Amino acid sequence: QLHLVDSGGGVVQPGGSLRLSCAASGFTFSNYGMHWVRQAPGKGLEWVAYIRNDGTTKYYADSVKDRFTISRDNSKNTVYLQMNSLKADDTAVYYCAKVQVGSGGRYFDYWGQGTLVTVSS
Amino acid sequence: DIVMTQTPLSLSVTPGQPASISCKSSQSLLHSDGKTYLCWYVQKPGQSPQLLIYEVSSRFSGVPDRFSGSGSGTDFTLKISRVEAEDVGVYYCMQGVNLPLITFGQGTRLDIK
Repeated sequence: QLHLVDSGGGVVQPGGSLRLSCAASGFTFSNYGMHWVRQAPGKGLEWVAYIRNDGTTKYYADSVKDRFTISRDNSKNTVYLQMNSLKADDTAVYYCAKVQVGSGGRYFDYWGQGTLVTVSS
Repeated sequence: DIVMTQTPLSLSVTPGQPASISCKSSQSLLHSDGKTYLCWYVQKPGQSPQLLIYEVSSRFSGVPDRFSGSGSGTDFTLKISRVEAEDVGVYYCMQGVNLPLITFGQGTRLDIK
């Protein structure tokens, strides 16, 4: 059974850093691209970042570019989101999501349960 | 960025009645590969989003056939033929044609009368 488990969220001060993890199981992780999507409290969904299955291609939303870094370790079936220079606007639940086969990375089929990041002094 | 506009933003439906949600994009979602990258997700209360429909009209595994998607170009519709209590949640359309600039609609909240 496919599982994506998000972790690493917490409370951090403005300007601080946090690293999120998404542990995957139940599928051949190294065959699939992965995304991070976030949702501010009471708000809609915002795409954050994408990494290709082999880690060679990465994309970021303008709102996080140069502050966030997506990476993966296929030997550990885990994708990461390193978040630096955090701002109050980054407060959100962060979800990892698996690329749907045949989609070219353009949409996702399964999502993690999410992990809450709160940026506050 | 491609802007996705959903209407209505909320609807209240009697069980057994149909429901329809519109999603309009500011640019065509038809890719040069011939596919149209428009998806629908539902986020049930307290849960992560779930994929319902991909590439306009293909139902994801396990999605009941009372859900259907249609449309082309810039105009798309999600229909629920007979709403059930378990369908309560927020429905989002999403475009992936412009990777990496993936964007979502604002969401449509469905509740039961």
